[in-house]
Amino acid sequence: GAVVSQHPSRVICKSGTSVKIECRSLDFQATTMFWYRQFPKQSLMLMATSNEGSKATYEQGVEKDKFLINHASLTLSTLTVTSAHPEDSSFYICSARDGGRGLRGYEQYFGPGTRLTVT
Amino acid sequence: GESVGLHLPTLSVQEGDNSIINCAYSNSASDYFIWYKQESGKGPQFIIDIRSNMDKRQGQRVTVLLNKTVKHLSLQIAATQPGDSAVYFCAEMVAKLVFGQGTRLTINP
Repeated sequence: GAVVSQHPSRVICKSGTSVKIECRSLDFQATTMFWYRQFPKQSLMLMATSNEGSKATYEQGVEKDKFLINHASLTLSTLTVTSAHPEDSSFYICSARDGGRGLRGYEQYFGPGTRLTVT
Repeated sequence: GESVGLHLPTLSVQEGDNSIINCAYSNSASDYFIWYKQESGKGPQFIIDIRSNMDKRQGQRVTVLLNKTVKHLSLQIAATQPGDSAVYFCAEMVAKLVFGQGTRLTINP
């Protein structure tokens, strides 16, 4: 159980276009989802936290108008990178917390990641 | 401030030997710690966790040790196998999950 999927796994887009990445919790309800960005040979950096039905909370330095997050249901969150530029090329990873698991409420389950390349 | 770091960026061990990966954290208020394994091109995979009211926890071939006095966390992997090759991250829960820098573990045949 506790599987998180992401789609697409890889995407290449042209500079100036927008790209949407989906994150789904497959067998649990994710009350909270997280989006991370990871540059090569670096650690995961939290971009934003989203709770179902409410606006996302962005980390300092992350442009909310550039990285649009929608957490419309308990099993789906989307990250849209608007007007993408080459410096946005990165590995984007989502994570979901199972709100139903009281004793394991801290656990976050990670998706497989999406490799974004902006040309 | 909040920071979780690792002493060594790379670790190379012989197949069959035990591996020890270290991590230092700075926030004494952290009450939950997790080790993740990340293979190339994949998301982090949960290995083992430990709460701050414990100093040791064992899993299958892995053991996590927590020393709150010196704010140190370690992951021990017994009988290291080729499939253990990956980057290992410690993470600290302080309202949000904060990841350390990562240690790349390579296995020599």
